[in-house]
Amino acid sequence: EIVMTQSPATLSVSPGERATLSCRASQSVTSNLAWYQQKPGQAPRLLIYGASTRATGIPARFSGSGSGTEFTLTISSLQSEDFAVYYCQQYNNWPLYTFGQGTKLEIK
Amino acid sequence: EVHLLESGGGLVQPGGSLRLSCAASGFTFSTYAMNWVRQAPGKGLEWISGIGGSGGSTYYADSLKGRFTISRDNSKNTLYLQMNSLRADDTAVYYCAKGEKNGLLIIPMGYWGQGTLVTVSA
Repeated sequence: EIVMTQSPATLSVSPGERATLSCRASQSVTSNLAWYQQKPGQAPRLLIYGASTRATGIPARFSGSGSGTEFTLTISSLQSEDFAVYYCQQYNNWPLYTFGQGTKLEIK
Repeated sequence: EVHLLESGGGLVQPGGSLRLSCAASGFTFSTYAMNWVRQAPGKGLEWISGIGGSGGSTYYADSLKGRFTISRDNSKNTLYLQMNSLRADDTAVYYCAKGEKNGLLIIPMGYWGQGTLVTVSA
Protein backbone atom coordinates (compact mmCIF):
# COMPACT_ATOMS: atom_id res chain seq x y z
CA GLU A 1 0.00 0.00 0.00
CA ILE A 2 1.27 3.45 -0.92
CA VAL A 3 1.28 5.83 2.05
CA MET A 4 0.95 9.57 1.44
CA THR A 5 2.38 11.95 4.03
CA GLN A 6 1.58 15.65 4.00
CA SER A 7 3.46 18.41 5.77
CA PRO A 8 2.99 20.50 7.69
CA ALA A 9 -0.22 19.48 9.42
CA THR A 10 -1.11 23.15 9.86
CA LEU A 11 0.28 26.12 7.96
CA SER A 12 -0.30 29.71 9.06
CA VAL A 13 0.10 32.29 6.31
CA SER A 14 -1.03 35.88 5.87
CA PRO A 15 -3.33 36.89 3.01
CA GLY A 16 -1.35 37.94 -0.03
CA GLU A 17 1.60 35.76 0.85
CA ARG A 18 2.71 32.51 -0.76
CA ALA A 19 1.83 29.13 0.69
CA THR A 20 3.78 25.95 0.00
CA LEU A 21 2.33 22.57 0.92
CA SER A 22 4.22 19.30 0.65
CA CYS A 23 3.22 15.71 -0.03
CA ARG A 24 5.47 12.68 0.01
CA ALA A 25 4.70 9.19 -1.29
CA SER A 26 6.16 6.05 0.27
CA GLN A 27 7.07 4.85 -3.21
CA SER A 28 7.07 6.41 -6.64
CA VAL A 29 3.67 7.42 -8.02
CA THR A 30 5.25 8.97 -11.14
CA SER A 31 3.01 11.98 -11.90
CA ASN A 32 -0.25 10.38 -10.77
CA LEU A 33 -0.86 12.87 -8.00
CA ALA A 34 -3.83 15.13 -7.34
CA TRP A 35 -4.60 17.93 -4.91
CA TYR A 36 -7.99 18.74 -3.43
CA GLN A 37 -9.32 21.67 -1.43
CA GLN A 38 -12.00 21.20 1.19
CA LYS A 39 -13.84 23.90 3.08
CA PRO A 40 -15.94 23.23 6.19
CA GLY A 41 -19.22 21.54 5.40
CA GLN A 42 -18.38 21.13 1.73
CA ALA A 43 -17.27 18.29 -0.50
CA PRO A 44 -13.66 18.32 -1.68
CA ARG A 45 -12.85 20.12 -4.92
CA LEU A 46 -10.25 18.90 -7.38
CA LEU A 47 -7.52 21.51 -7.90
CA ILE A 48 -4.63 19.74 -9.60
CA TYR A 49 -4.15 16.39 -11.32
CA GLY A 50 -1.21 14.84 -13.10
CA ALA A 51 0.91 16.60 -10.45
CA SER A 52 0.77 19.93 -12.29
CA THR A 53 -2.39 20.28 -14.42
CA ARG A 54 -5.02 22.63 -13.06
CA ALA A 55 -8.55 21.31 -13.13
CA THR A 56 -11.23 23.24 -14.98
CA GLY A 57 -11.94 26.63 -13.43
CA ILE A 58 -9.06 26.59 -10.97
CA PRO A 59 -7.28 29.97 -10.71
CA ALA A 60 -3.72 30.29 -11.95
CA ARG A 61 -2.45 31.15 -8.45
CA PHE A 62 -2.67 27.42 -7.72
CA SER A 63 0.23 25.40 -9.09
CA GLY A 64 1.52 21.90 -8.56
CA SER A 65 4.95 20.42 -9.09
CA GLY A 66 6.97 17.30 -8.47
CA SER A 67 7.16 13.71 -9.60
CA GLY A 68 8.10 10.36 -8.16
CA THR A 69 7.77 10.72 -4.41
CA GLU A 70 7.96 14.46 -3.69
CA PHE A 71 5.21 16.91 -4.59
CA THR A 72 4.35 20.52 -3.84
CA LEU A 73 1.21 22.62 -4.05
CA THR A 74 1.90 26.34 -4.21
CA ILE A 75 -0.64 29.10 -3.81
CA SER A 76 1.10 32.21 -5.05
CA SER A 77 -0.89 34.97 -3.35
CA LEU A 78 -3.37 33.79 -0.77
CA GLN A 79 -6.93 35.03 -1.02
CA SER A 80 -9.40 34.82 1.85
CA GLU A 81 -11.26 32.00 0.12
CA ASP A 82 -8.12 29.85 -0.03
CA PHE A 83 -8.02 29.12 3.68
CA ALA A 84 -9.14 25.51 3.86
CA VAL A 85 -7.83 21.97 4.21
CA TYR A 86 -5.79 20.55 1.34
CA TYR A 87 -5.36 16.87 0.54
CA CYS A 88 -3.02 15.13 -1.83
CA GLN A 89 -4.08 11.86 -3.47
CA GLN A 90 -2.14 9.28 -5.44
CA TYR A 91 -3.73 7.23 -8.20
CA ASN A 92 -0.69 5.50 -9.65
CA ASN A 93 -2.40 2.13 -9.18
CA TRP A 94 -5.73 3.43 -10.53
CA PRO A 95 -8.52 2.66 -9.86
CA LEU A 96 -7.16 2.38 -6.34
CA TYR A 97 -6.52 5.65 -4.53
CA THR A 98 -4.79 6.85 -1.37
CA PHE A 99 -5.17 10.23 0.29
CA GLY A 100 -2.75 12.09 2.49
CA GLN A 101 -3.91 13.14 5.95
CA GLY A 102 -4.37 16.78 4.95
CA THR A 103 -2.82 20.19 5.61
CA LYS A 104 -4.92 22.89 7.22
CA LEU A 105 -4.12 26.30 5.78
CA GLU A 106 -5.09 28.96 8.28
CA ILE A 107 -4.93 32.72 8.43
CA LYS A 108 -1.91 34.11 10.27
CA GLU B 1 -23.96 19.81 -15.76
CA VAL B 2 -22.75 16.87 -13.70
CA HIS B 3 -24.77 16.27 -10.56
CA LEU B 4 -24.31 13.60 -7.91
CA LEU B 5 -26.78 13.20 -5.07
CA GLU B 6 -26.21 10.74 -2.23
CA SER B 7 -28.97 9.40 -0.03
CA GLY B 8 -29.63 6.62 2.43
CA GLY B 9 -27.57 7.77 5.37
CA GLY B 10 -28.85 7.80 8.92
CA LEU B 11 -28.52 6.30 12.36
CA VAL B 12 -27.89 2.57 12.57
CA GLN B 13 -26.97 0.30 15.45
CA PRO B 14 -23.63 -1.52 15.60
CA GLY B 15 -23.82 -4.72 13.60
CA GLY B 16 -26.56 -3.32 11.40
CA SER B 17 -26.73 -2.70 7.67
CA LEU B 18 -27.39 0.27 5.45
CA ARG B 19 -27.50 0.88 1.71
CA LEU B 20 -26.38 4.18 0.29
CA SER B 21 -27.39 5.46 -3.12
CA CYS B 22 -25.86 8.06 -5.41
CA ALA B 23 -28.07 9.37 -8.20
CA ALA B 24 -26.10 10.72 -11.14
CA SER B 25 -27.09 13.09 -13.92
CA GLY B 26 -25.52 15.28 -16.55
CA PHE B 27 -23.22 12.67 -18.08
CA THR B 28 -23.30 9.21 -19.65
CA PHE B 29 -23.22 7.30 -16.39
CA SER B 30 -22.36 3.88 -17.80
CA THR B 31 -19.08 5.07 -19.32
CA TYR B 32 -17.46 6.30 -16.12
CA ALA B 33 -15.94 4.62 -13.11
CA MET B 34 -17.41 5.74 -9.81
CA ASN B 35 -16.12 5.81 -6.27
CA TRP B 36 -17.14 6.04 -2.64
CA VAL B 37 -15.02 8.16 -0.30
CA ARG B 38 -15.74 8.67 3.37
CA GLN B 39 -14.73 11.18 6.02
CA ALA B 40 -15.06 10.50 9.73
CA PRO B 41 -15.95 13.52 11.88
CA GLY B 42 -12.97 15.87 12.07
CA LYS B 43 -10.79 13.45 10.09
CA GLY B 44 -9.36 13.17 6.62
CA LEU B 45 -10.61 11.59 3.42
CA GLU B 46 -10.55 7.82 2.91
CA TRP B 47 -11.19 6.15 -0.44
CA ILE B 48 -13.17 3.02 0.27
CA SER B 49 -14.44 1.56 -3.02
CA GLY B 50 -14.62 1.96 -6.80
CA ILE B 51 -16.45 0.33 -9.68
CA GLY B 52 -15.94 0.27 -13.41
CA GLY B 53 -18.45 1.71 -15.84
CA SER B 54 -20.04 -1.62 -16.70
CA GLY B 55 -20.07 -2.75 -13.09
CA GLY B 56 -17.97 -5.78 -13.90
CA SER B 57 -14.92 -4.62 -11.94
CA THR B 58 -15.01 -3.60 -8.31
CA TYR B 59 -12.30 -2.40 -5.97
CA TYR B 60 -12.09 -1.96 -2.22
CA ALA B 61 -9.81 -0.55 0.42
CA ASP B 62 -8.19 -3.28 2.48
CA SER B 63 -9.60 -1.73 5.65
CA LEU B 64 -13.17 -2.76 4.77
CA LYS B 65 -12.45 -6.49 5.12
CA GLY B 66 -15.34 -7.56 2.92
CA ARG B 67 -18.10 -5.79 4.83
CA PHE B 68 -19.07 -3.35 2.06
CA THR B 69 -20.27 -4.05 -1.49
CA ILE B 70 -20.31 -1.51 -4.30
CA SER B 71 -22.68 -1.87 -7.24
CA ARG B 72 -24.39 0.19 -9.88
CA ASP B 73 -27.55 0.18 -11.96
CA ASN B 74 -26.76 1.90 -15.23
CA SER B 75 -30.42 1.82 -16.28
CA LYS B 76 -31.18 4.02 -13.27
CA ASN B 77 -27.96 6.07 -13.34
CA THR B 78 -27.41 5.10 -9.73
CA LEU B 79 -24.44 3.95 -7.68
CA TYR B 80 -24.86 1.94 -4.48
CA LEU B 81 -22.90 1.00 -1.40
CA GLN B 82 -24.21 -1.86 0.70
CA MET B 83 -22.70 -1.66 4.17
CA ASN B 84 -22.95 -4.63 6.53
CA SER B 85 -21.67 -5.39 10.04
CA LEU B 86 -21.39 -1.69 10.72
CA ARG B 87 -19.14 -0.49 13.52
CA ALA B 88 -18.80 2.78 15.38
CA ASP B 89 -15.68 3.63 13.37
CA ASP B 90 -17.75 3.51 10.15
CA THR B 91 -19.41 6.73 11.32
CA ALA B 92 -18.64 9.24 8.58
CA VAL B 93 -19.92 11.36 5.76
CA TYR B 94 -19.98 9.19 2.66
CA TYR B 95 -19.35 10.86 -0.69
CA CYS B 96 -19.71 9.48 -4.18
CA ALA B 97 -17.24 10.80 -6.72
CA LYS B 98 -16.83 10.52 -10.48
CA GLY B 99 -13.50 9.90 -12.11
CA GLU B 100 -12.42 9.88 -15.72
CA LYS B 101 -9.91 7.86 -17.70
CA ASN B 102 -9.22 8.45 -21.37
CA GLY B 103 -6.36 6.30 -22.57
CA LEU B 104 -3.37 7.21 -20.40
CA LEU B 105 -5.02 10.38 -19.14
CA ILE B 106 -6.64 10.03 -15.74
CA ILE B 107 -8.63 12.82 -14.17
CA PRO B 108 -9.43 11.60 -10.68
CA MET B 109 -12.53 12.59 -8.75
CA GLY B 110 -13.44 15.77 -10.58
CA TYR B 111 -17.04 15.68 -9.36
CA TRP B 112 -18.39 14.94 -5.91
CA GLY B 113 -21.79 14.71 -4.32
CA GLN B 114 -22.63 16.65 -1.17
CA GLY B 115 -22.32 13.55 1.01
CA THR B 116 -24.62 11.60 3.30
CA LEU B 117 -23.97 11.10 7.00
CA VAL B 118 -23.90 7.61 8.46
CA THR B 119 -23.90 7.37 12.24
CA VAL B 120 -23.30 3.99 13.87
CA SER B 121 -24.36 4.10 17.49
CA ALA B 122 -26.43 2.22 20.02
